Amino acid sequence: TQLLEQSPQFLSIQEGENLTVYCNSSSVFSSLQWYRQEPGEGPVLLVTVVTGGEVKKLKRLTFQFGDARKDSSLHITAAQTGDTGLYLCAGERTGGYNKLIFGAGTRLAVHP
Amino acid sequence: SAVISQKPSRDICQRGTSLTIQCQVDSQVTMMFWYRQQPGQSLTLIATANQGSEATYESGFVIDKFPISRPNLTFSTLTVSNMSPEDSSIYLCSVEVRAGNTEAFFGQGTRLTVV
Repeated sequence: TQLLEQSPQFLSIQEGENLTVYCNSSSVFSSLQWYRQEPGEGPVLLVTVVTGGEVKKLKRLTFQFGDARKDSSLHITAAQTGDTGLYLCAGERTGGYNKLIFGAGTRLAVHP
Repeated sequence: SAVISQKPSRDICQRGTSLTIQCQVDSQVTMMFWYRQQPGQSLTLIATANQGSEATYESGFVIDKFPISRPNLTFSTLTVSNMSPEDSSIYLCSVEVRAGNTEAFFGQGTRLTVV
């Protein structure tokens, strides 16, 4: 059973559309991160959210951490073909050092 | 931060042979992680490599198939042994750096094709 449930698993949209990816858990995390992986590369960190209810914006990407720090969302406005890739959420559990827990990923394809 | 150099970036291997993947980090880290990423899939943790002790393997992965070395705090290798086509995948090494929050850094991956 995945500790972090990520949805949808696949998303295929046209350029200019908006989309939201969700990352949910029954566990509380001290922080939650979003990574993007492009073909032929390893995942790269996009953002870390730490405070419950926190919202961070990165150009057309908006990241939100749930009030209870159990879930997060990534919203992309006016998607571009360059947004194509695998999006992974990762949670850092509370209480001392714990290895990051990765979600199953959302594979996004943006078509021109 | 951490910069990870992983090689080879890709290889095509004959079934029954073995391939060793190398991972070099530009700073000393206690743990290094090896992942497998099958086509179109997410990351599956193979094992955690600790310097000075045996690697810790996740369920479904065994040392005989995926021996790991960790000779020092900046280097690790993963060997894929007695390969079959089912081992065709991307293999990634990773480290996690704590500076306030924990951040994961990845190598660029090794794309392995077994024929």
